[in-house]
Amino acid sequence: EVQLVESGGGLVQPGGSLRLSCSASGFTFSTCAMHWVRQAPGKGLEYVSAISGNAANTYYADSVKGRFTISRDNSQNTLYLQMSSLRAEDTAVYYCVKQGGLGTFDYWGQGTLVTVSS
Amino acid sequence: QTVVTQEPSLTVSPGETVTLTCASSTGAVTSGYYPNWFQQKPGQAPRTLIYSTSNKHSWTPARFSGSLLGGKAALTLSGVQPEDEAEYYCLLYYGDVWVFGGGTKLTVL
Repeated sequence: EVQLVESGGGLVQPGGSLRLSCSASGFTFSTCAMHWVRQAPGKGLEYVSAISGNAANTYYADSVKGRFTISRDNSQNTLYLQMSSLRAEDTAVYYCVKQGGLGTFDYWGQGTLVTVSS
Repeated sequence: QTVVTQEPSLTVSPGETVTLTCASSTGAVTSGYYPNWFQQKPGQAPRTLIYSTSNKHSWTPARFSGSLLGGKAALTLSGVQPEDEAEYYCLLYYGDVWVFGGGTKLTVL
């Protein structure tokens, strides 16, 4: 059974940093691209970042470029999102999402809430 | 900036058929945009219903189908059930960029 479990969310002050983790199980993690998607309270889904299975390729939405860093540890089956210079508008539930084949999003985690506030 | 547009809201009666659409500001949506469709109910994580235009996951109810229609990606619910009341999002691929639509709130009355 595929499981994605996010952790690391919480309350952080503007300008602060936070690292999110996504622990994966039930599939061959190293062969799958992974994604981060966020959802601000009461708003729609926003695509954040992606990383290829071997970590050679990464992508960032313009809204987080230069502030967020996606990475993965295939030996630990874990995806990360290092977030810095956080702003109030980064407040959201952050989901990790597994990619199946090309163009195929399949499994979602339950999400972790990040609140940026003083 | 690329914009993906969905109907903000639709209302349907149980048993009816409804089609949600997903348009791209860059022009016609084709299979090369790998349209994905997601369902999200209040307080829950999204779940994927359709990938690569029309492919279903093992958990996707048979009444859901995906297609291309009039230059847009489309999600059709045939025989809507009360439990289908939810927010539906599409996602399109633009090379390295994935962009979500704003979502369609489907109300079943």
